[in-house]
Amino acid sequence: SQQGEEDPQALSIQEGENATMNCSYKTSINNLQWYRQNSGRGLVHLILIRSNEREKHSGRLRVTLDTSKKSSSLLITASRAADTASYFCATGFGNEKLTFGTGTRLTIIP
Amino acid sequence: EADIYQTPRYLVIGTGKKITLECSQTMGHDKMYWYQQDPGMELHLIHYSYGVNSTEKGDLSSESTVSRIRTEHFPLTLESARPSHTSQYLCASSELGGTHFYGYTFGSGTRLTVV
Repeated sequence: SQQGEEDPQALSIQEGENATMNCSYKTSINNLQWYRQNSGRGLVHLILIRSNEREKHSGRLRVTLDTSKKSSSLLITASRAADTASYFCATGFGNEKLTFGTGTRLTIIP
Repeated sequence: EADIYQTPRYLVIGTGKKITLECSQTMGHDKMYWYQQDPGMELHLIHYSYGVNSTEKGDLSSESTVSRIRTEHFPLTLESARPSHTSQYLCASSELGGTHFYGYTFGSGTRLTVV
């Protein structure tokens, strides 16, 4: 069964604006990750946040995790055309067999 | 650049043919995975391995089989391809879990079309 669900399913913003996407999950986790997928390619790992962390930054990325609400958000600041991609959250527990969400398709309009 | 390689990148093949999708990684990762993804859709785990001679089926039932004879190699085989097997197949690997887990490394994928 699918663990995570991203919201919104699709998002279009102007270049330079910030993009926020959300992920909800159902069961206990010990980490949550975000991945990016360019059209027709493999996924690229962006950032991992552990269950005892509430916020993490990496460059223009900011991830938050609220384990009480079983949700996470990914913020991309000062978006660029190259950020156009699908973004997936993935949750892991124990043996780290990840379960991926449904993805948010982000389009940056130049 | 990615240290996990999938070949072929694209494959168009006739119904009933036997095919093997190759996946190799140079990172010495113990854990390897195969995911199936239809265009614009979520990923589904079909096989995984936690080491040599260890293979398990994933959450999505698949008619494919896998083998893990060497740490770096995790091929996926379809004995008799059907149009319903048309999809993108993504291979991934990772290090040990717990505090040493830093996420998956994915290959570029194989887009399979069965006609």
